[in-house]
Amino acid sequence: RKEVEQDPGPFNVPEGATVAFNCTYSNSASQSFFWYRQDCRKEPKLLMSVYSSGNEDGRFTAQLNRASQYISLLIRDSKLSDSATYLCVSYYGGSQGNLIFGKGTKLSVKP
Amino acid sequence: DVKVTQSSRYLVKRTGEKVFLECVQDMDHENMFWYRQDPGLGLRLIYFSYDVKMKEKGDIPEGYSVSREKKERFSLILESASTNQTSMYLCASSRDYNEQFFGPGTRLTVL
Repeated sequence: RKEVEQDPGPFNVPEGATVAFNCTYSNSASQSFFWYRQDCRKEPKLLMSVYSSGNEDGRFTAQLNRASQYISLLIRDSKLSDSATYLCVSYYGGSQGNLIFGKGTKLSVKP
Repeated sequence: DVKVTQSSRYLVKRTGEKVFLECVQDMDHENMFWYRQDPGLGLRLIYFSYDVKMKEKGDIPEGYSVSREKKERFSLILESASTNQTSMYLCASSRDYNEQFFGPGTRLTVL
């Protein structure tokens, strides 16, 4: 099985800062990508899907670089409530089981 | 509001016991998944099911079995629990590969 790699962090940033995470994937056949957010002791929830070059939703921007095989997540104007672990996920087609989760990047936003 | 529920939030069992973890979804999703999540290892797929009575092994099926007799229900069975199966177990469902909806998780401790 192919891998998805993330920097585990933690990323400690002040409120209002811009922070970016990168995620690299090894399977060049990966078709689509997702960012999930997981709060402490809670289940993961979908934050954003990335099918082509990128996606933007308010303060969150995801970008895909197929040539270098990485996906980034940019968070602008960080809020205290953004503190969570962010999971990068790739889907490489075929079976529904072909979703690979990264181990997550922990973000802590401080006042 | 979409919902995935799991039978227990916390469970303590003894080595050698048979353990049943139940998951129910109300979204009429075809696909259901069982993961375990451990610190430093991330989410690992145990089994998934793409239809009633259908199942496929994930990355770590050893020591586990599953049952899907009804579309909305997916059960994970530990035939003889061992201490290395102490973990957080997460159930998820999806219509396709786009978004998985997770249950709140069951924290299982095997003594």
